[in-house]
Amino acid sequence: DTAVSQTPKYLVTQMGNDKSIKCEQNLGHDTMYWYKQDSKKFLKIMFSYNNKELIINETVPNRFSPKSPDKAHLNLHINSLELGDSAVYFCASSNRREVNEKLFFGSGTQLSVL
Amino acid sequence: RKEVEQDPGPFNVPEGATVAFNCTYSNSASQSFFWYRQDCRKEPKLLMSVYSSGNEDGRFTAQLNRASQYISLLIRDSKLSDSATYLCVVNRPGGSNYKLTFGKGTLLTVNP
Repeated sequence: DTAVSQTPKYLVTQMGNDKSIKCEQNLGHDTMYWYKQDSKKFLKIMFSYNNKELIINETVPNRFSPKSPDKAHLNLHINSLELGDSAVYFCASSNRREVNEKLFFGSGTQLSVL
Repeated sequence: RKEVEQDPGPFNVPEGATVAFNCTYSNSASQSFFWYRQDCRKEPKLLMSVYSSGNEDGRFTAQLNRASQYISLLIRDSKLSDSATYLCVVNRPGGSNYKLTFGKGTLLTVNP
């Protein structure tokens, strides 16, 4: 029943490792996003995909690579994890065709890099 | 000037109080405005959209002043359950570059 679901909820890993976070939405939305919320609680957009095409890339290091196999999925792969990558990562979706586009968020993935 | 700027807070108010949050935005071409609410360790959720003429949803009233590029949220008769971070959200128009930008949020604690 969950509209936007992401896994895992918690991810604890060592520096230098590679990890992935998965996201799926069942709302029929055409656009999906990754947001990062750091320790100061600032929510910042990283990527956006519309109908599987990348439309926003907000100066994120190349170590972060999003992949959208279809409109309902947007995964985030992170290579060579660094301490500064520790944050909560939120997936979100929306319908760009709406006049007042609203975001629906997943419950977040808390990433801790040790 | 930051794209979206909010009252730094935190706000600590007693139950039953009226509290108001302010937000300013830098892009005069912005067309869509929202207030989201985020509970501790949870995802942000839409509280309400903000319309040009102002709008009300129960105890919550949102106002927009385009001339001053300013949005407000008023909460009347605060409840303990209103304790959360309130995020001001504004769109940055521009075709494929369209995005919703979040303010840093204002933390509200309603005390018994």
